[in-house]
Amino acid sequence: KQEVTQIPAALSVPEGENLVLNCSFTDSAIYNLQWFRQDPGKGLTSLLLIQSSQREQTSGRLNASLDKSSGRSTLYIAASQPGDSATYLCAVLNSGYSTLTFGKGTMLLVSP
Amino acid sequence: DAGVIQSPRHEVTEMGQEVTLRCKPISGHNSLFWYRQTMMRGLELLIYFNNNVPIDDSGMPEDRFSAKMPNASFSTLKIQPSEPRDSAVYFCASSPRTGFFYEQYFGPGTRLTVT
Repeated sequence: KQEVTQIPAALSVPEGENLVLNCSFTDSAIYNLQWFRQDPGKGLTSLLLIQSSQREQTSGRLNASLDKSSGRSTLYIAASQPGDSATYLCAVLNSGYSTLTFGKGTMLLVSP
Repeated sequence: DAGVIQSPRHEVTEMGQEVTLRCKPISGHNSLFWYRQTMMRGLELLIYFNNNVPIDDSGMPEDRFSAKMPNASFSTLKIQPSEPRDSAVYFCASSPRTGFFYEQYFGPGTRLTVT
């Protein structure tokens, strides 16, 4: 059974810092990996989707990398802003295409 | 587009009562997913539909849970009878294509509290 772990569970940084969020998964036979953002009291918003054949994806200040063989992904946020404060979740689609398995998320607080 | 719409946003009910959660997916989307989020277990898939047909309900915790999608624009998740351990946030999501390959668009969720 696929398990997804996100470390750290919570992170607090001052505005302007570059930061890295980590995601690890136990079964490397995945089809793709997604990073989501969740704001308090709201649903999830998809940020980046990386196919298993890709190494990274970029969107603005966000860069997500994938190392399938080691079962790891990172989300890099450059020049963090208070508006980046949210919970970030990663999810993997296993190769059987049957379901997304989510991590429990990293709660990020960026202080002005 | 208004996005995925869920109702109610908050529901407080007593143990043993029937609870019905509603979802309107984005128009034109072919897949619909129901998730449950708790602090202990995180986000879990309960069931998903492709073109209104239930594909996988293995995530539905018990027979007390049932889901329907009578047409492309409406789905319900029903819990009967409800129990305190059902307290969670329930999300509905839709996707423009069938299956999990494409981006899912999440609704704001229904926070359910069973006392």
